[in-house]
Amino acid sequence: DQQVKQNSPSLSVQEGRISILNCDYTNSMFDYFLWYKKYPAEGPTFLISISSIKDKNEDGRFTVFLNKSAKHLSLHIVPSQPGDSAVYFCAASLQGKLIFGQGTELSVKP
Amino acid sequence: KAGVTQTPRYLIKTRGQQVTLSCSPISGHRSVSWYQQTPGQGLQFLFEYFSETQRNKGNFPGRFSGRQFSNSRSEMNVSTLELGDSALYLCASSVAGQQNSPLHFGNGTRLTVT
Repeated sequence: DQQVKQNSPSLSVQEGRISILNCDYTNSMFDYFLWYKKYPAEGPTFLISISSIKDKNEDGRFTVFLNKSAKHLSLHIVPSQPGDSAVYFCAASLQGKLIFGQGTELSVKP
Repeated sequence: KAGVTQTPRYLIKTRGQQVTLSCSPISGHRSVSWYQQTPGQGLQFLFEYFSETQRNKGNFPGRFSGRQFSNSRSEMNVSTLELGDSALYLCASSVAGQQNSPLHFGNGTRLTVT
């Protein structure tokens, strides 16, 4: 039972354009959401987070949006850069456990 | 500040054997979590240790076990290895635990079971 889902395994975007990565969840009890980025042969690194009491959090080029009624989370990267090419994982926190999605591989083309 | 260190980086074992993976957290971090990453499955939570006690556990069989030492270093053990245990095993540390602070991951141990 996958409580956190990233339905797009891959996404390709032109440099300078917006990248939108999506994540759906099923459990309304999740109270914190995070995005991690992973390069090959490295561990995931924390990118940005949002509490369930907010609907938007922004950090530089990265913005996370939370739609609780739709149980949907998205990460916007503007403008996208080739160095953003990586696998992006969304994660949700429940009772001290982080539950991750399957990941979306973003490719930013020059 | 040194990051999370996992050893070894690569490991090849045969079915039925057992394996121990090691993780040294960032200095000052008391929480250590373990995850299994396989293609298409994302990161599956194994367990979390805090101050030498297992605080959370995922849905893995009892062949997967772990422990944490007084210096916060952690080990994960897998007994009676199966082919399906081939994966990247990631360790992550945080100051207070997953809910209150982001996880800092190591680069993982790539386990191949033949």
